[in-house]
Amino acid sequence: GAGVSQSPSNKVTEKGKDVELRCDPISGHTALYWYRQSLGQGLEFLIYFQGNSAPDKSGLPSDRFSAERTGGSVSTLTIQRTQQEDSAVYLCASREPLQETQYFGPGTRLLVL
Amino acid sequence: DQQVKQNSPSLSVQEGRISILNCDYTNSMFDYFLWYKKYPAEGPTFLISISSIKDKNEDGRFTVFLNKSAKHLSLHIVPSQPGDSAVYFCAATGGGFAGGTSYGKLTFGQGTILTVHP
Repeated sequence: GAGVSQSPSNKVTEKGKDVELRCDPISGHTALYWYRQSLGQGLEFLIYFQGNSAPDKSGLPSDRFSAERTGGSVSTLTIQRTQQEDSAVYLCASREPLQETQYFGPGTRLLVL
Repeated sequence: DQQVKQNSPSLSVQEGRISILNCDYTNSMFDYFLWYKKYPAEGPTFLISISSIKDKNEDGRFTVFLNKSAKHLSLHIVPSQPGDSAVYFCAATGGGFAGGTSYGKLTFGQGTILTVHP
């Protein structure tokens, strides 16, 4: 079946602009996560959605970052007033109920000039 | 505060030999551990996992060992193949449950670059 998909695959933007990154999880997966990997770093948790529960936003680095998940499926991560330090690969993962394994999408490579 | 550590940034192994990748953790609330493989320009791919109630899990050429008292796990690849060359991430989760499953947030190590030479 189809895996997690993300768009765009690459995004180059200018400092100060807003960007939106999209994630389509695997059908039936109720849990959805956003992570990011900065250059030379491991993966860093950003935000977690589980069904209709309030999301866990504890990993968001600043209030410029926000995310939503519409209809329990597609999620959008928005970064406002981008900064150069926001340059990273943004990864989305989803998980089916009662399972531990998260399945990752290919990521969006964001470069802020 | 790095709760999951992979102290070897890189590992080089000859084809056919064993690759051993190591991972240490500090948070005693972690109760489920996973290994992911990542190729350049791709997302991480799930490889193998282990629950804290076990000390070994095997899947084909891949075996993960867990030593809870030492807070250490390792991934063994036998025999290693050139196609195994990738970045390997150790990840851990636990410390909370909702609806019968763990909270699910993964904490990752920094990764180890494995190179298998023909």
